[in-house]
Amino acid sequence: KQEVTQIPAALSVPEGENLVLNCSFTDSAIYNLQWFRQDPGKGLTSLLLIQSSQREQTSGRLNASLDKSSGRSTLYIAASQPGDSATYLCAVRRLNDYKLSFGAGTTVTVRA
Amino acid sequence: DAMVIQNPRYQVTQFGKPVTLSCSQTLNHNVMYWYQQKSSQAPKLLFHYYDKDFNNEADTPDNFQSRRPNTSFCFLDIRSPGLGDAAMYLCATSRVLSGGENEKLFFGSGTQLSVL
Repeated sequence: KQEVTQIPAALSVPEGENLVLNCSFTDSAIYNLQWFRQDPGKGLTSLLLIQSSQREQTSGRLNASLDKSSGRSTLYIAASQPGDSATYLCAVRRLNDYKLSFGAGTTVTVRA
Repeated sequence: DAMVIQNPRYQVTQFGKPVTLSCSQTLNHNVMYWYQQKSSQAPKLLFHYYDKDFNNEADTPDNFQSRRPNTSFCFLDIRSPGLGDAAMYLCATSRVLSGGENEKLFFGSGTQLSVL
């Protein structure tokens, strides 16, 4: 069974600081990994998807890296803004499977 | 805009009174998922459809049922809600086997279920 862990559970930083969010997974036989953002009481919005053959993906201020062999992914958010305050979840899809296993997320607060 | 729509946004039901949550999509995705999410926890997959093929998770209680009458719609039925079923219910869609960015999951805004 795939276990996905995100540490820390919560993070508070001043505006302008770079954010580093971690995700680890136990089974390296993955098809892809996705990072999501969730605002309080809302659904999830996909931020980045990394295929198992890729090392990283970038979108604007966001960059996600994947080290499949060590079972880790990192989401970097450059020059954080108060609007980046949300919970960030990672999810892993295994090979030959349509299901995603989610971490519990890291709740980020960016202080103005 | 193409999207995933869940209704209602908030649902209050009484202990033991059946309730149905709905999800529709205009993305023409072949897979639809139902997740249950409790506060500060990871979303938990209840079941998913690949086209019309229904796939139930082993630990999903029998109290939870689902229907997908066509590609666009999917329903979650809770036959006898208990207090422990109070949660956010999230519907998601994906076009699997298309490769790359097209395999992203798209979520609805969720239905927050309260059980009194």
